[in-house]
Amino acid sequence: DSGVTQTPKHLITATGQRVTLRCSPRSGDLSVYWYQQSLDQGLQFLIHYYNGEERAKGNILERFSAQQFPDLHSELNLSSLELGDSALYFCASSSGTYNEQFFGPGTRLTVL
Amino acid sequence: AQTVTQSQPEMSVQEAETVTLSCTYDTSESDYYLFWYKQPPSRQMILVIRQEAYKQQNATENRFSVNFQKAAKSFSLKISDSQLGDAAMYFCAYRSDMNYGGSQGNLIFGKGTKLSVKP
Repeated sequence: DSGVTQTPKHLITATGQRVTLRCSPRSGDLSVYWYQQSLDQGLQFLIHYYNGEERAKGNILERFSAQQFPDLHSELNLSSLELGDSALYFCASSSGTYNEQFFGPGTRLTVL
Repeated sequence: AQTVTQSQPEMSVQEAETVTLSCTYDTSESDYYLFWYKQPPSRQMILVIRQEAYKQQNATENRFSVNFQKAAKSFSLKISDSQLGDAAMYFCAYRSDMNYGGSQGNLIFGKGTKLSVKP
């Protein structure tokens, strides 16, 4: 157990819908990273938050957004969902920008 | 931009034998970190081993060791005395050690190598 929690574990929804994925980092970790794992794109970095502030963006679509709250949990919002958004979404946390990252169990999103 | 390449989509090893997974990367940075992550069927991402680029000594964690060749930009993982529980996808990953081009420490992954272990 990495200490990082993600909810829900599985999510099935329809095209055009909006979903929210939640991540709680390890106690004391200030950084949260979001990654997407899909069959065709592999593991890709989406976005990084540090202590409530956005620090870096990767290959994140404009339909996707994220935020980190004062209690340090983070949410990834995916809107206008398309079939191609079906993937495993991971969050990872670390105690600082460059320290080891610990991954949550992931949320499996299926868009029908 | 940094890239990570794993040229072996699949590998197979006999139980108790040794196997080496290959990884090459491309970067213009001098300071960085390299990692091997294991992803078993449960899909959990598990850190296997890490290497700091400034360290010449190869990292070792029990049965897992790396061969880090900085000049060749090569970072292979050797698994000794392979066990059935080692069967998984293995991902090589790169992380900058400086604020470079907007990077703030996110991991850049290779496509992965699927390792199967035969009893």
